[in-house]
Amino acid sequence: EPEVTQTPSHQVTQMGQEVILRCVPISNHLYFYWYRQILGQKVEFLVSFYNNEISEKSEIFDDQFSVERPDGSNFTLKIRSTKLEDSAMYFCASSVVRGGRNEQFFGPGTRLTVL
Amino acid sequence: DAKTTQPPSMDCAEGRAANLPCNHSTISGNEYVYWYRQIHSQGPQYIIHGLKNNETNEMASLIITEDRKSSTLILPHATLRDTAVYYCIVSGGSNYKLTFGKGTLLTVNP
Repeated sequence: EPEVTQTPSHQVTQMGQEVILRCVPISNHLYFYWYRQILGQKVEFLVSFYNNEISEKSEIFDDQFSVERPDGSNFTLKIRSTKLEDSAMYFCASSVVRGGRNEQFFGPGTRLTVL
Repeated sequence: DAKTTQPPSMDCAEGRAANLPCNHSTISGNEYVYWYRQIHSQGPQYIIHGLKNNETNEMASLIITEDRKSSTLILPHATLRDTAVYYCIVSGGSNYKLTFGKGTLLTVNP
């Protein structure tokens, strides 16, 4: 069964460094998403991406964040200058939107630890 | 997004049916009800969704009331591996993001 994959599974970085989190969505999906979950808190929406542009973003997704689909398979989230509060699980998801239905399938996540 | 209300926790005996309720009284006509679950810190797992009619798949059944203001997720024969946080989410129209609440922690006991 096709699934969303994410790399790395765990990323440790120093505050102020740039990180890139990678995702390979399900191959026939056209909508892509990033969510994050700070330890012990709710899963929060960051951004949605369709047709090579951002379709929606949350207040969390400020200028420090960017997304890209550099080729036909990868979908990346870049954090330019990490802060301690960026430590969280980051989940990528993808979906096919049909007639208003939007079942999103999530990857296993990348645990980002900012020291 | 329409808000949902779920009990914070529920218990169920292994092998019995687990019935997880959700209230979504402000749901709009074009919004779907989605159920996801999250086991420990894994990625949320899609379970089932519905618009108006009851739905069943290999994982669960979804019962939506006629007025669409509430729904129930049914796991017909719960196993220990079904212990997870279950999220009821309403989404649709031009809004594709999923807004997660705190969900219901279902604990399946031996």
